[in-house]
Amino acid sequence: GEDVEQSLFLSVREGDSSVINCTYTDSSSTYLYWYKQEPGAGLQLLTYIFSNMDMKQDQRLTVLLNKKDKHLSLRIADTQTGDSAIYFCAETNNAGNMLTFGGGTRLMVKP
Amino acid sequence: DGGITQSPKYLFRKEGQNVTLSCEQNLNHDAMYWYRQDPGQGLRLIYYSQIVNDFQKGDIAEGYSVSREKKESFPLTVTSAQKNPTAFYLCASSIRLPSPLHFGNGTRLTVT
Repeated sequence: GEDVEQSLFLSVREGDSSVINCTYTDSSSTYLYWYKQEPGAGLQLLTYIFSNMDMKQDQRLTVLLNKKDKHLSLRIADTQTGDSAIYFCAETNNAGNMLTFGGGTRLMVKP
Repeated sequence: DGGITQSPKYLFRKEGQNVTLSCEQNLNHDAMYWYRQDPGQGLRLIYYSQIVNDFQKGDIAEGYSVSREKKESFPLTVTSAQKNPTAFYLCASSIRLPSPLHFGNGTRLTVT
């Protein structure tokens, strides 16, 4: 079955870049997603990438996809205190009818 | 504004009681999902529905039930058979995968 792994915690200083990493197992995944969750709230879609792409950039966010290693990363440039949250990566399953989520990476931004 | 509404935000129940969590969307999405989130953990899929009057079990369906009588509504019942019901429950919808999921703000259920 599908499995998505993320590191638990990342701490950065305000103004630095943050890189959140994710590995996945399903090589047939067509879409991979990044979501952000603030305390006590639902998940907010940040960005997603098609599996035939290597990179996608959207303002301060850059997603890199290494299909060979099944590795996905999210880079946040000029990280702000408002970026402190839990970040989840997710992939579509084989049947394409549900998402499998990683355990989430808690990003702490220090002023 | 279109969105997904979950109610209530906080819910308290005594052990042995069934409880129903509400999820309504006005995005005209076909598919709806229920996830459970435990502290420090990711999301686990409970049930999903891709069309009215049809739904499928997810990874942790035991002790839960759902219905999908209307496109806009996908209520989740946590039954007394669910051994550890205290958790944060998230409802989501999408036009259809792989279109991204849109999430509600969640219901925190505490059972004592």
